[in-house]
Amino acid sequence: DAGVTQSPTHLIKTRGQHVTLRCSPISGHKSVSWYQQVLGQGPQFIFQYYEKEERGRGNFPDRFSARQFPNYSSELNVNALLLGDSALYLCASSKDRRVEGIYGYTFGSGTRLTVV
Amino acid sequence: RKEVEQDPGPFNVPEGATVAFNCTYSNSASQSFFWYRQDCRKEPKLLMSVYSSGNEDGRFTAQLNRASQYISLHIRDSKLSDSATYLCVVIRATDSWGKLQFGAGTQVVVTP
Repeated sequence: DAGVTQSPTHLIKTRGQHVTLRCSPISGHKSVSWYQQVLGQGPQFIFQYYEKEERGRGNFPDRFSARQFPNYSSELNVNALLLGDSALYLCASSKDRRVEGIYGYTFGSGTRLTVV
Repeated sequence: RKEVEQDPGPFNVPEGATVAFNCTYSNSASQSFFWYRQDCRKEPKLLMSVYSSGNEDGRFTAQLNRASQYISLHIRDSKLSDSATYLCVVIRATDSWGKLQFGAGTQVVVTP
């Protein structure tokens, strides 16, 4: 079975540009969460989507947005990129909305975004 | 103050030795605790949950001290393959819908 897949794996963008990152959850998983991991830090929660609706949002500016599609895949969009947006962006999927079943909470290998 | 804090290390450990490190959390409403392992430039992977009574998984032992608000991870008989960054994860009771709070990680380097 395929795990959580993210694309692209690496990306270089210029300040002020827009970027779209994509995530396909494990088959049967309805929840997708996005995290940002800046070098030297732990992942920081950005969004959770469940059944195509936003269920949680972290402390990120409105430049960050996301959506989930009927097939449960998800996109993370970042507008007006700043140098500080350079990070590893991780997507995690789980079957349910809640994480007590954390053993089913699986991360993708991430998209490494560099803003120059 | 960060909600989850860890000593960044690195902890340099001779192969076969034991290493232990802690993670402190500031929110007393924290409900669930985990250790994740992250290899260089890879995604985090769940290592083990942490239970109030303490729990062991092979060479790894995790403990929780709610009174002092910290969790610990002990690795005994260290292997070269244990070299990684260990991330402490805390979930608040109000966030069980899916928000993981990560520490910045503790780097462990096991040397021959």
